[in-house]
Amino acid sequence: AQRVTQPEKLLSVFKGAPVELKCNYSYSGSPELFWYVQYSRQRLQLLLRHISRESIKGFTADLNKGETSFHLKKPFAQEEDSAMYYCALQGAQKLVFGQGTRLTINP
Amino acid sequence: GAGVSQSPSNKVTEKGKDVELRCDPISGHTALYWYRQSLGQGLEFLIYFQGNSAPDKSGLPSDRFSAERTGGSVSTLTIQRTQQEDSAVYLCASSLDRPVINPYEQYFGPGTRLTVT
Repeated sequence: AQRVTQPEKLLSVFKGAPVELKCNYSYSGSPELFWYVQYSRQRLQLLLRHISRESIKGFTADLNKGETSFHLKKPFAQEEDSAMYYCALQGAQKLVFGQGTRLTINP
Repeated sequence: GAGVSQSPSNKVTEKGKDVELRCDPISGHTALYWYRQSLGQGLEFLIYFQGNSAPDKSGLPSDRFSAERTGGSVSTLTIQRTQQEDSAVYLCASSLDRPVINPYEQYFGPGTRLTVT
C-alpha cells in the first residue's frame, strides 16, 4: 500500500533559521515524490519533484530510499515561506498526499 | 490560458439535501481528480478519471458519493443525502496523460467549500 506520513502538523521557526519539513513514505515500487504548497488564499501548487533534483524558492528535497524519506529543507527561512506543505507520492495511477504541515515563519 | 475552475466556490446546504459540485479542467488535460480537504485530515483522494478508461473510484467514502465526467471534459461530483461530516473543501485537479517515466504535474482548482448544517 502507498502511504505518506508527515509527522508534524504544525511547524514554527524564526526568519533566517533553517527549516526542515519531514516526509516519510511506504511504497513497494520505485517512488516518485513531490512537494506541493498552498499559500494563504491561493491554490495548491507544485513546489518541486524529486526527479528534477531542483531547488525552488531555496527549497530542496532529497530522496533517501534507505530511510524512505523525502524531507523538504531550506537553509534560511523567509516570512513568505509561511504556508501549508504537502508531500505526495505518485503510485501506479493516483497521487497520494500526506496530511500536510503548516509552516509558520516568525519575524 | 485559463486554469482549473470550480463552482460554486461556497455551498451551504442542509443535512439530507443533495449537492452537485462542478469542475472545469484545463483544456486538453485528459486526467481529472477529485480530492477532499478536511481540517486536520490532509488531502483525501476521492476519484480519478483518465481518458476513456473506467474511473478509479476507490477513494469515494460511501455510495452517497458519485462523479461523472462528460465528454472527457467537465466533471460533476454529486453528494446525496449530505451529512455534517461531508463538510470540507472539495478540490479538483487535472493533468496531461501520465506517461510511464515522468508523471505530469497536477493543476488544482480553487476548491468548493461545502458546509452542511
